Amino acid sequence: LAKTTQPISMDSYEGQEVNITCSHNNIATNDYITWYQQFPSQGPRFIIQGYKTKVTNEVASLFIPADRKSSTLSLPRVSLSDTAVYYCLVGDDTGTASKLTFGTGTRLQVTL
Amino acid sequence: DGGITQSPKYLFRKEGQNVTLSCEQNLNHDAMYWYRQDPGQGLRLIYYSQIVNDFQKGDIAEGYSVSREKKESFPLTVTSAQKNPTAFYLCASSVWTGQDSPLIFGNGTRLTVT
Repeated sequence: LAKTTQPISMDSYEGQEVNITCSHNNIATNDYITWYQQFPSQGPRFIIQGYKTKVTNEVASLFIPADRKSSTLSLPRVSLSDTAVYYCLVGDDTGTASKLTFGTGTRLQVTL
Repeated sequence: DGGITQSPKYLFRKEGQNVTLSCEQNLNHDAMYWYRQDPGQGLRLIYYSQIVNDFQKGDIAEGYSVSREKKESFPLTVTSAQKNPTAFYLCASSVWTGQDSPLIFGNGTRLTVT
């Protein structure tokens, strides 16, 4: 099971771009990289998922280098409402979502 | 609107009592999951179900039980055998259990046992 490492916390000012990097050195060939966002006392919310190169949606971008040993979640022009915990997940090589492991995530604090 | 409904939002029980947490989904998803979250921690998988009448233990199943008699419902029972039951419990569902099927979460039930 590929393990992920992400910074415990990050701080940003409103309007800045925030990049959260996740390391997953032993990612398997079939593994996807998925990011979730969690606000206090709520369930996590799916943000973005990718396999390689770059994925972009209306909320974020996900950059994955060729070796796939890391990935970077990019949040453009953050606002106060982006203050949350962000989890990077990598699936196991059996392709079973049931084995997705949520680490402690990165706590992003956005201030004025 | 489709989604996951967990009830109640807060639940209080005395030690030694079993308690059942409700989880209902109207997304027509085959897979459902229960996670536990302790303060400042990530989520840990308790049980999951890939299809009706089938479920498997997750990483911390001891002291918990589940049933999956209907596609829409996946109740979790916290038994008196669970040594530290006070936690935030999250239910989720997905189209299937493949890792390319994102999890949709409910808003959780906060259980306090005294």
